[in-house]
Amino acid sequence: DIQMTQSPSTLTASVGDRVTITCRASQSLGGWLAWYQQKPGKSPTLLIYHATTLETGVPSRFSATSSGTEFTLTIASLQTDDFATYYCQQYASDIRLFGQGTKVEI
Amino acid sequence: EVQVVVSGGGLVQPGQSLTLSCTTSGFDFADFGITWFRQAVGKGPEWVGFIRRAASGGTSEYATSLRGRSIISRDDSKGIAYLQMNSLKTEDTAMYFCIRNQVGDWGQGTPVTVSS
Repeated sequence: DIQMTQSPSTLTASVGDRVTITCRASQSLGGWLAWYQQKPGKSPTLLIYHATTLETGVPSRFSATSSGTEFTLTIASLQTDDFATYYCQQYASDIRLFGQGTKVEI
Repeated sequence: EVQVVVSGGGLVQPGQSLTLSCTTSGFDFADFGITWFRQAVGKGPEWVGFIRRAASGGTSEYATSLRGRSIISRDDSKGIAYLQMNSLKTEDTAMYFCIRNQVGDWGQGTPVTVSS
């Protein structure tokens, strides 16, 4: 199975901060990586797919990059609405695992 | 409008079976794979499995935790996918979701509780 290692597990930040979350895959994903946002009591929503493509309707302050087996999600200027938990998920292999999650808190 | 609605959750005893339905409308169901996820309270999301569209073989893949105990199937004539879970364990207790394709918003789920 392709394992995903996400860091940090918790990130304390303030409104306006630039925030970066990282996921590392145990093997090449060929770009088949997604980023999800989950707010308390809600189901996950898709932010990014194909490693760097912004889902329709997602604010442009969200962006993502990939380099080999390392993937990053960046929030350019953190807004109140962005305090949530973020997960990466690979969909390159037959078994599609999530990262452990990053909780972005104040 | 694309709609994907999961149903069929409930309370079952350990060892029993349960079949969830993923009912869709607003798109050509036969052109898409269907992915199942779940999330237990206080835990991260978990990929459950996936069924390919018929044109890609119609085959299914399963998470290690459910392989051998679950069957994902589809009825293209009805636009419905199914997740049949057998020999349920308490650790299968979670909210279950389905989406079209491989990634996307999860929407509303259906709760499955395995308890004696």
